[in-house]
Amino acid sequence: GQQLNQSPQSMFIQEGEDVSMNCTSSSIFNTWLWYKQDPGEGPVLLIALYKAGELTSNGRLTAQFGITRKDSFLNISASIPSDVGIYFCAGQLPRRNQGGKLIFGQGTELSVKP
Amino acid sequence: SAVISQKPSRDICQRGTSLTIQCQVDSQVTMMFWYRQQPGQSLTLIATANQGSEATYESGFVIDKFPISRPNLTFSTLTVSNMSPEDSSIYLCSVERDYLMAHNEQFFGPGTRLTVL
Repeated sequence: GQQLNQSPQSMFIQEGEDVSMNCTSSSIFNTWLWYKQDPGEGPVLLIALYKAGELTSNGRLTAQFGITRKDSFLNISASIPSDVGIYFCAGQLPRRNQGGKLIFGQGTELSVKP
Repeated sequence: SAVISQKPSRDICQRGTSLTIQCQVDSQVTMMFWYRQQPGQSLTLIATANQGSEATYESGFVIDKFPISRPNLTFSTLTVSNMSPEDSSIYLCSVERDYLMAHNEQFFGPGTRLTVL
């Protein structure tokens, strides 16, 4: 089945530093989504990417849809303590023959030291 | 985004019993999904629940263990049957914003944290 490889698995950074994480796949996706999950909560959608090569920002977050449609990265600039959490990438399969299902990466756990 | 609520938010259950989890959305949606998140793990899709038809289960998940209802466009239930400690997980429902839109984003409920003793 399809798998997403997300890295790094965890990061420990100082407040103010920039963060970068990425996902790669052997499969092509139509859509890439990035979520953040806080402890005891459901994942919250941060950024959605729909087109190969697309670069999208949401405040301090920037994400790109890889040109091959098999990868994506998420950058967080000038990290702050509330950025702490687990970040998941998700690739969406074609709806026509695979139901538009989401395949999730393993997650990147971010810790920020004040 | 849709407002999604789940009940219960958490529960502790005995082995062999069953628990039904409810998911309520504040607007009509075509596609609803149920996921499992085992401790420290990522999300795994259990099944897709469309109104008016039987749920479609992913490999490794069966209807007898995880029966799903979808009586209308704003509500769904997932039952975890004959529970064992291995079923201890967070169970999440999600909805797709609009099936007919070119861009389909999934939004998640807060999850139900289940512990089986």
